[in-house]
Amino acid sequence: QVQLQESGPGLVKPSQTLSLTCTASGGSISSGDYYWSWIRQPAGKGLEWIGRIYISGSTNYNPSLKSRVTISIDTSKNQVSLMLSSVTAADTAVYYCARVVVPTQGHAFDIWGQGTLVTVSS
Amino acid sequence: AGLTQPPSVSKDLGQTATLTCTGNSNNVGNQGAAWLQQHQGHPPKLLSYRNNNRPSDISERLSASRSGNTASLTITGLQPEDEADYYCSAWDTSLTAWVFGGGTKLTVL
Repeated sequence: QVQLQESGPGLVKPSQTLSLTCTASGGSISSGDYYWSWIRQPAGKGLEWIGRIYISGSTNYNPSLKSRVTISIDTSKNQVSLMLSSVTAADTAVYYCARVVVPTQGHAFDIWGQGTLVTVSS
Repeated sequence: AGLTQPPSVSKDLGQTATLTCTGNSNNVGNQGAAWLQQHQGHPPKLLSYRNNNRPSDISERLSASRSGNTASLTITGLQPEDEADYYCSAWDTSLTAWVFGGGTKLTVL
């Protein structure tokens, strides 16, 4: 069973770039049966989809974040990365990495990482 | 342009709860919805997808359905462990983006 683990700085200064990595273990991210997504959740609030990437490198982003987000994939390290630029306090949240089954197989977020809290503060 | 869920639902132990999720023809009405359960301090967990398909480890007490642009999750024989936040999600073909509902907090009395 694939497990996902997010990692990165827990504190980022305003206007800087948030960088997180999601490492998959117990399986390969190179499978064509999955997308890899980032989702975030501010304390006490709901889930917000940030974006996704496919093994081909094809990406889709939340329109409200698109100008600040970059998601990349490194198959040699079995990792997916997130960069969010020009952060503000509003970007403070728990950030999750999740696996998404392709539409022909069900199209849902079937595996989630434990999440990592990122606080934006000076 | 997210999905709409009631903020809270309260039911007695052993009763049946039905949670709803309303979208539009570009998301729920087109692609169906998937349901997630989240207990406090934990990541979400997939409960159902494509309206009524359950992962193998999910209880048969849970069932999902869709009528038009509204998806529903029904939980029968409510147990204390069912108390959690429930989120619906759907792929929006117009936005080419995933959208989530705001979540429903289910309280088991």
